[in-house]
Amino acid sequence: KAGVTQTPRYLIKTRGQQVTLSCSPISGHRSVSWYQQTPGQGLQFLFEYFSETQRNKGNFPGRFSGRQFSNSRSEMNVSTLELGDSALYLCASSLAQATYEQYFGPGTRLTVT
Amino acid sequence: KQEVTQIPAALSVPEGENLVLNCSFTDSAIYNLQWFRQDPGKGLTSLLLIQSSQREQTSGRLNASLDKSSGRSTLYIAASQPGDSATYLCAVFGGGGNKLTFGTGTQLKVEL
Repeated sequence: KAGVTQTPRYLIKTRGQQVTLSCSPISGHRSVSWYQQTPGQGLQFLFEYFSETQRNKGNFPGRFSGRQFSNSRSEMNVSTLELGDSALYLCASSLAQATYEQYFGPGTRLTVT
Repeated sequence: KQEVTQIPAALSVPEGENLVLNCSFTDSAIYNLQWFRQDPGKGLTSLLLIQSSQREQTSGRLNASLDKSSGRSTLYIAASQPGDSATYLCAVFGGGGNKLTFGTGTQLKVEL
């Protein structure tokens, strides 16, 4: 069974631009969560989607948004990029709403210049 | 607000040594706890998931325990190998849904 895939793996953007990251969960998994990892703040929860509905949202500004499609694939969007948005963005999938085991993708490394 | 702390922050041991990594959390009302490893620049690899009703979970050379009442979990690695070198993260499920709160991580180096 294929694991969680994320595209692109690396991305370089300039301040003010916007970016869209994509995540394909493990087949059959309906929950997708997004996390931001930085050296200073560690891993922080962005949001979680289940059956195309956002169920949880972390403490991030409205520039960060996401969505989930009917096939459970998810995208996250960051608008008006800032230097501080440079991070590794990780996506995780799990089977269902309950606290099942989370499986992470390889991440997208975003660099904002 | 849940806070998760891992001690030590970094650890260097010779190959073959048994070691214990510690994880503590402030809010004992958690559902489950999951241990991960992360290699430099890579994603997270799930090691063990401990359900809230369990006290421990084992996989190969790894054993994780959970004591909800004291807000602690330990990851025991037996007979460490250089391939075990990585950052180990614990994360707790709480706040509804699948939101994970991560610890600060322990960077482990196993030397030949």
